[in-house]
Amino acid sequence: DAGVIQSPRHEVTEMGQEVTLRCKPISGHNSLFWYRQTMMRGLELLIYFNNNVPIDDSGMPEDRFSAKMPNASFSTLKIQPSEPRDSAVYFCASKETGNQPQHFGDGTRLSIL
Amino acid sequence: AQSVTQPDIHITVSEGASLELRCNYSYGATPYLFWYVQSPGQGLQLLLKYFSGDTLVQGIKGFEADFKRSQSSFNLRKPSVHWSDAAEYFCAVAGSNYQLIWGAGTKLIIKP
Repeated sequence: DAGVIQSPRHEVTEMGQEVTLRCKPISGHNSLFWYRQTMMRGLELLIYFNNNVPIDDSGMPEDRFSAKMPNASFSTLKIQPSEPRDSAVYFCASKETGNQPQHFGDGTRLSIL
Repeated sequence: AQSVTQPDIHITVSEGASLELRCNYSYGATPYLFWYVQSPGQGLQLLLKYFSGDTLVQGIKGFEADFKRSQSSFNLRKPSVHWSDAAEYFCAVAGSNYQLIWGAGTKLIIKP
């Protein structure tokens, strides 16, 4: 079975540019999570979708960040405009209904110059 | 408040030696507990989970964890570590809305 698929694996761009990160969850999973990981702050939950509906976006740092889940098999995390402090590894995870474990993608390493 | 504490930021163990990584949680109801491992440049991989039943849980890669309700602990163990076990290990508890509450992680260093 394919796991959670994230693209791109690496992204390097200049500040002020728009950045779009993509995620394909595991088929049949109805919950999707976007995380950010940095050395300073560790693993932070940005937003959580259930059945394609955003349930908790309290972790989204500011209005420059937005996330969508147009269907059960695709989600995007967009940063516009990007800033150097957004540099981090961004992970997507998905899970089945209930207290089931989350399954993680390999992440997108984002560098904003 | 719900929380997970991993008191050791780094642990160094000789190859072949036994390992125990500590995890303490604070949660009012029956906890659903997880251990994940993150190798450099990789995502987090589930090692094992505890939902109910036997308090000694077996996981992948030879790991096990012992749930002790009286101590609010869920420590991860391995009888003999291999160099490939060098990674960061995260403990987590499922919160009331099915999100995970994460510990800060413990980085495992293996001495040859």
